[in-house]
Amino acid sequence: GESVGLHLPTLSVQEGDNSIINCAYSNSASDYFIWYKQESGKGPQFIIDIRSNMDKRQGQRVTVLLNKTVKHLSLQIAATQPGDSAVYFCAETGYSTLTFGKGTMLLVSP
Amino acid sequence: KAGVTQTPRYLIKTRGQQVTLSCSPISGHRSVSWYQQTPGQGLQFLFEYFSETQRNKGNFPGRFSGRQFSNSRSEMNVSTLELGDSALYLCASSPGTSNQPQHFGDGTRLSIL
Repeated sequence: GESVGLHLPTLSVQEGDNSIINCAYSNSASDYFIWYKQESGKGPQFIIDIRSNMDKRQGQRVTVLLNKTVKHLSLQIAATQPGDSAVYFCAETGYSTLTFGKGTMLLVSP
Repeated sequence: KAGVTQTPRYLIKTRGQQVTLSCSPISGHRSVSWYQQTPGQGLQFLFEYFSETQRNKGNFPGRFSGRQFSNSRSEMNVSTLELGDSALYLCASSPGTSNQPQHFGDGTRLSIL
């Protein structure tokens, strides 16, 4: 039969705006979380990570927030640039096996 | 430091054939994991090797296998290829201890005709 592709949620922003990408994770036992960026034709690229004993972590132009009560993760990108256009995945792990979310496509218009 | 290297980048095979994909991890990384990425299923975990031993395994049939060598390089093999095996196969390496990010290669695009 015909395969159905993933219908990725899409976030469209203007260059210079702040972007917020959300992710709901499934396993309450997960204690480590990672955000990846995947550009067309490339593998996922590590952006930022956070451990379950933290609720916020900042990097260069990016911030990850973790809410364990509702099992929610978000990635904030400040001053979004066209080069930020990609698919963003959150991933959770209890030890070594990563479980990925479905991904969000970020489109940045100049 | 060189990143994760996967070869070949592209492969075309026919149904029933077998294929071997190769992955060279980041120097010093002892864990190598393999993932399958398709439009329909997203990123799915195949297996993880650490110090030449399979440490974790995903929910894939036995046609999918792998191994790791003493230099941490890894190969995965798919036998009796099916049309549904067409996918991007990604390899990721990490030091292998907990709470360390995995770093991915750019994958091998496998197409089955």
